[in-house]
Amino acid sequence: QKEVEQNSGPLSVPEGAIASLNCTYSDRGSQSFFWYRQYSGKSPELIMFIYSNGDKEDGRFTAQLNKASQYVSLLIRDSQPSDSATYLCAVFMDSNYQLIWGAGTKLIIKP
Amino acid sequence: DVKVTQSSRYLVKRTGEKVFLECVQDMDHENMFWYRQDPGLGLRLIYFSYDVKMKEKGDIPEGYSVSREKKERFSLILESASTNQTSMYLCASRRDNPPLHFGNGTRLTVT
Repeated sequence: QKEVEQNSGPLSVPEGAIASLNCTYSDRGSQSFFWYRQYSGKSPELIMFIYSNGDKEDGRFTAQLNKASQYVSLLIRDSQPSDSATYLCAVFMDSNYQLIWGAGTKLIIKP
Repeated sequence: DVKVTQSSRYLVKRTGEKVFLECVQDMDHENMFWYRQDPGLGLRLIYFSYDVKMKEKGDIPEGYSVSREKKERFSLILESASTNQTSMYLCASRRDNPPLHFGNGTRLTVT
């Protein structure tokens, strides 16, 4: 069973702090990893993707990938109330060309 | 920018009705997907298509069918709507590799 696991939360973080979201996956053959943000009642929107081990930064967002430990994380620096949303982790399975989704972590940024 | 358009944002139908959900994408993507999303259950794949007239069952195809007569259009059909099909339905598309681009979603209520 190919799985992607996330803590459902809610994760509560003070405004201005760093929010850290984690995701683990079971298939060692996975090569592509994605973070989507979903506001309540809206559809998911892509915010980061990462293919290689290490860190990838885009503005206030940093994705971190560790293939040996099979986890991918998303850091949000200088958290804003507008970052409050559910964050979905998705892992692309090269074996069947399908995305496997985590259930999402609800993030709440407290002013 | 990729645009995935779902024909209805909100839909209310009666039990037993035949329901059509339409999705159109404008980026010549080969692959199109239908998901449903329910609280606590995450994104669940209903059907997907990797080419015109091709379709593959996802994780929860029961009670649904699909049609892809043109590359840009992927329709989800509820043959006889039931109350347990009340959900948010999300259409998405991509090329051979991710990322996946989502439409705005259709919130379907079956009474």
